[in-house]
Amino acid sequence: DADVTQTPRNRITKTGKRIMLECSQTKGHDRMYWYRQDPGLGLRLIYYSFDVKDINKGEISDGYSVSRQAQAKFSLSLESAIPNQTALYFCATSRAVNTEAFFGQGTRLTVV
Amino acid sequence: QKEVEQDPGPLSVPEGAIVSLNCTYSNSAFQYFMWYRQYSRKGPELLMYTYSSGNKEDGRFTAQVDKSSKYISLFIRDSQPSDSATYLCAMRPRGAQKLVFGQGTRLTINP
Repeated sequence: DADVTQTPRNRITKTGKRIMLECSQTKGHDRMYWYRQDPGLGLRLIYYSFDVKDINKGEISDGYSVSRQAQAKFSLSLESAIPNQTALYFCATSRAVNTEAFFGQGTRLTVV
Repeated sequence: QKEVEQDPGPLSVPEGAIVSLNCTYSNSAFQYFMWYRQYSRKGPELLMYTYSSGNKEDGRFTAQVDKSSKYISLFIRDSQPSDSATYLCAMRPRGAQKLVFGQGTRLTINP
């Protein structure tokens, strides 16, 4: 079983719809992250959370929101999806600031 | 200009060749340097992790950091078809949370 699990793995949605991507982890890490990956742009940080009461914006947070429901769960929402949010989204976790980040399998989101 | 530049490739080499993957960066505060490998339809996984300058070897893989030139490299010896993947460099300053990624280089090893 994967240590970092993302659901759904693939999703097609229409412009203007609200969509939630979910992430759960069994690694016991406090820190969780959401990234998006676009061809030619690498991975860019959307939001990150150090613990349940802590939420921080990354470099491209506009149009997104997050919720840290528990230490093990971190969800990403697109309130009103737009086509340029079509991308591969990754959740990641880490134990501390200078330690390895572990990634989920990714969610391929297409907004039409 | 991006903080981290990486040639996206694609790079195609024959099996057994030595592969060199490189990244340049502009932020002199970067102190932690990583290489991630990402197979198709999978999440990135950490391959090498180095702190500050110098070399680090792990089996067929060697990571090299030259802070004076703001340049990092990953060498793969005796490359195998199973090494075919996208390789992403990543780096961060000491104590900072944000990890800055390169664009990734798609590598194919041909049997």
